[in-house]
Amino acid sequence: GAVVSQHPSRVICKSGTSVKIECRSLDFQATTMFWYRQFPKQSLMLMATSNEGSKATYEQGVEKDKFLINHASLTLSTLTVTSAHPEDSSFYICSARGLGATNEKLFFGSGTQLSVL
Amino acid sequence: GENVEQHPSTLSVQEGDSAVIKCTYSDSASNYFPWYKQELGKRPQLIIDIRSNVGEKKDQRIAVTLNKTAKHFSLHITETQPEDSAVYFCAASSNFGNEKLTFGTGTRLTIIP
Repeated sequence: GAVVSQHPSRVICKSGTSVKIECRSLDFQATTMFWYRQFPKQSLMLMATSNEGSKATYEQGVEKDKFLINHASLTLSTLTVTSAHPEDSSFYICSARGLGATNEKLFFGSGTQLSVL
Repeated sequence: GENVEQHPSTLSVQEGDSAVIKCTYSDSASNYFPWYKQELGKRPQLIIDIRSNVGEKKDQRIAVTLNKTAKHFSLHITETQPEDSAVYFCAASSNFGNEKLTFGTGTRLTIIP
């Protein structure tokens, strides 16, 4: 199947710093990417949907100024957690699909474990 | 919006026995229902999915059933093996999978050798 690469896999940072997470589609053009966060032993909660070249659509309750999403190319989307605080510590995971594809062809990244001290 | 509930939250079965996980959804417009398996710290992996135009789908030891009237769907794993131990998530979306997925709360399945 298609491959979605996510980096870094783990990051530890101090409170107040910003962290950037990258999600790349390696062998297809990802026109749509989804960003989720997952707390321990909980479900995947959709944060935002991004389409290449346009602004991301954020889910209710997700601060767009805190979680900056950029989807400037068909193979790369980034999530930047700005001024991170301990409550932002979570597992962040992206998923991507290509032009005209449905969720039957949705591919997940390997996730990023963020720990904010 | 869509709300997906999943039960049970934890499930332990003896190796070789069957496991059943159930989900209910609220939005009658939902018509695509995938199941994902996620091991600790890993990415979710699609194991089986079903569209609303069929009532059952099977792939070797895994099957999914769908009751549109009752708005619930279930995952059935037969002849369970230790490697089936993981967290399983159901999900739902509308427009035959073109819209965003709403995930269930997950079931931690443990297979007892």
